[in-house]
Amino acid sequence: QQQVKQSPQSLIVQKGGISIINCAYENTAFDYFPWYQQFPGKGPALLIAIRPDVSEKKEGRFTISFNKSAKQFSLHIMDSQPGDSATYFCAASSKETSGSRLTFGEGTQLTVNP
Amino acid sequence: NAGVTQTPKFRVLKTGQSMTLLCAQDMNHEYMYWYRQDPGMGLRLIHYSVGEGTTAKGEVPDGYNVSRLKKQNFLLGLESAAPSQTSVYFCASSYRGQGAYEQYFGPGTRLTVT
Repeated sequence: QQQVKQSPQSLIVQKGGISIINCAYENTAFDYFPWYQQFPGKGPALLIAIRPDVSEKKEGRFTISFNKSAKQFSLHIMDSQPGDSATYFCAASSKETSGSRLTFGEGTQLTVNP
Repeated sequence: NAGVTQTPKFRVLKTGQSMTLLCAQDMNHEYMYWYRQDPGMGLRLIHYSVGEGTTAKGEVPDGYNVSRLKKQNFLLGLESAAPSQTSVYFCASSYRGQGAYEQYFGPGTRLTVT
């Protein structure tokens, strides 16, 4: 059972545009929502994360928007650059989960055209 | 610091053969994880460990075994490889504490079972 649903599966954006990736979750016990970025041939790396006590978190060109009532969160990449081309994974975790396990979404392959 | 390293980087097995993937971390992390990554399915947790000498099943444990004899090492074994185990395998580690923390990923092992 996929507890975190991610969309779209792939996304093509022009340089300078806004990239938006959406995730929805089912488990209301989730209290930590990270986004990971993965370049080809590399392991994923943490990009930005949010906890449900805030509705938005911004780090540079990357912003997470969080809607607790809708059980949804999204990643916005402003002024998208070709170097942002990568696969992005949303994830979720609960402090009640043994080992701080993450449940990942399916991934979104982002291509930013120059 | 090397972070999280994985050995080997690539491997081709025939159906029924066995092998062990090695993960090592030099960050003194308590928690370690093994994931598999398949197209369109995100990262799925195979097994994890909350400390030296402990292991637990994740989402897709069948066909795999693990051991954590030393804190810095986490081994993933395939006793009798099957084509369905063709995948990219990632190891990760994280701190232990209240709530969830960043997981640090290795570079991955690409396994093909023919």
